[in-house]
Amino acid sequence: EAQVTQNPRYLITVTGKKLTVTCSQNMNHEYMSWYRQDPGLGLRQIYYSMNVEVTDKGDVPEGYKVSRKEKRNFPLILESPSPNQTSLYFCASRQTGGYSPLHFGNGTRLTVT
Amino acid sequence: EDKVVQSPLSLVVHEGDTVTLNCSYEVTNFRSLLWYKQEKKAPTFLFMLTSSGIEKKSGRLSSILDKKELFSILNITATQTGDSAIYLCAVDSFTGNQFYFGTGTSLTVIP
Repeated sequence: EAQVTQNPRYLITVTGKKLTVTCSQNMNHEYMSWYRQDPGLGLRQIYYSMNVEVTDKGDVPEGYKVSRKEKRNFPLILESPSPNQTSLYFCASRQTGGYSPLHFGNGTRLTVT
Repeated sequence: EDKVVQSPLSLVVHEGDTVTLNCSYEVTNFRSLLWYKQEKKAPTFLFMLTSSGIEKKSGRLSSILDKKELFSILNITATQTGDSAIYLCAVDSFTGNQFYFGTGTSLTVIP
């Protein structure tokens, strides 16, 4: 089944404790992206990647890192999480070069205390 | 600044009603407009509208795109409780590397 898989689904952590949210897709998509979703603000892009070893900032990159060492994986790293990073996070992927929708993972609900 | 605005923010209707959700946009080099349905998890893709496909229909859901006036509507007829969700509008651009999302319309269908 074609899908985007995120882990974990829920995560509670404390301020300053480094964490990684994994994302993997099995559709051979070049483009992958991370979003956070907050009430009243909608989906905002954190980082995106056009292909392996090619990443770039989205609208809200502060406090986040990403890497794209393999085509299928695009982990999101919070080196020193803070409470304002409490949010619902989505990884998404799409085919490039044409008209293609974003395919979303099931989300990771992160709480930073 | 590129932006997508959805209205209304929320809507409560009774089963069987027809609803219209609105999406207006200002996005440079528009490529396509997409509608997603989000229940308690990931957004799921409903429709994509482009210059060559400005009307789409699937069962009780239909959507149109007005490229001149820069808006789209999503119609749901004979609503059911299973239609309760947040409906997201997103616009893709030829020049950008992201989709621009509206904040969504929360639809609640009461039995």
